[in-house]
Amino acid sequence: SQQGEEDPQALSIQEGENATMNCSYKTSINNLQWYRQNSGRGLVHLILIRSNEREKHSGRLRVTLDTSKKSSSLLITASRAADTASYFCATVGKGAQKLVFGQGTRLTINP
Amino acid sequence: DAGITQSPRHKVTETGTPVTLRCHQTENHRYMYWYRQDPGHGLRLIHYSYGVKDTDKGEVSDGYSVSRSKTEDFLLTLESATSSQTSVYFCAISPTGQDTEAFFGQGTRLTVV
Repeated sequence: SQQGEEDPQALSIQEGENATMNCSYKTSINNLQWYRQNSGRGLVHLILIRSNEREKHSGRLRVTLDTSKKSSSLLITASRAADTASYFCATVGKGAQKLVFGQGTRLTINP
Repeated sequence: DAGITQSPRHKVTETGTPVTLRCHQTENHRYMYWYRQDPGHGLRLIHYSYGVKDTDKGEVSDGYSVSRSKTEDFLLTLESATSSQTSVYFCAISPTGQDTEAFFGQGTRLTVV
């Protein structure tokens, strides 16, 4: 079974609004990563947060990690039409050398 | 963009035939991965490699085999293709496999008829 579960499965918001996606996982991790996938394309890495970190920022992206709850959130501020994509969380377990993905959140930004 | 190329990009094959997908990298990364992506399932790991001739199974390895005879190439073989293996296949590479990002290829869309 997959490590990460994402919520919501689909999200539709207006341009300019903030988008929040959540990810829960089951086992201890080394790090958690977020990826974006535009339709029909490969995945692109957005941000990596290590298990000893609680928050990380990159441009309009803010990621939080709560290891006690085994959960993470991705916040995209001031959304743009170009942010329309699927977003995936992926975890690397302690001692592991592989990414395990969640099912993803489909984000639609309406102009 | 990371130097990672998948071939072919699209393939239609018949049930029961063997199929080989190729992943080629120019980054000299140690780790290489094969995932499949299906609606409702996200990406699921098939096999991965942590060095030349060193491979391990992922969560959906049945019906698939892999080989890595040199650093730059990771081959995925469907020994006898079935309709359930119709999917989009992604290759990924990573320098360390643990604490760095992965870089993905553009995917191979495989249809088994």
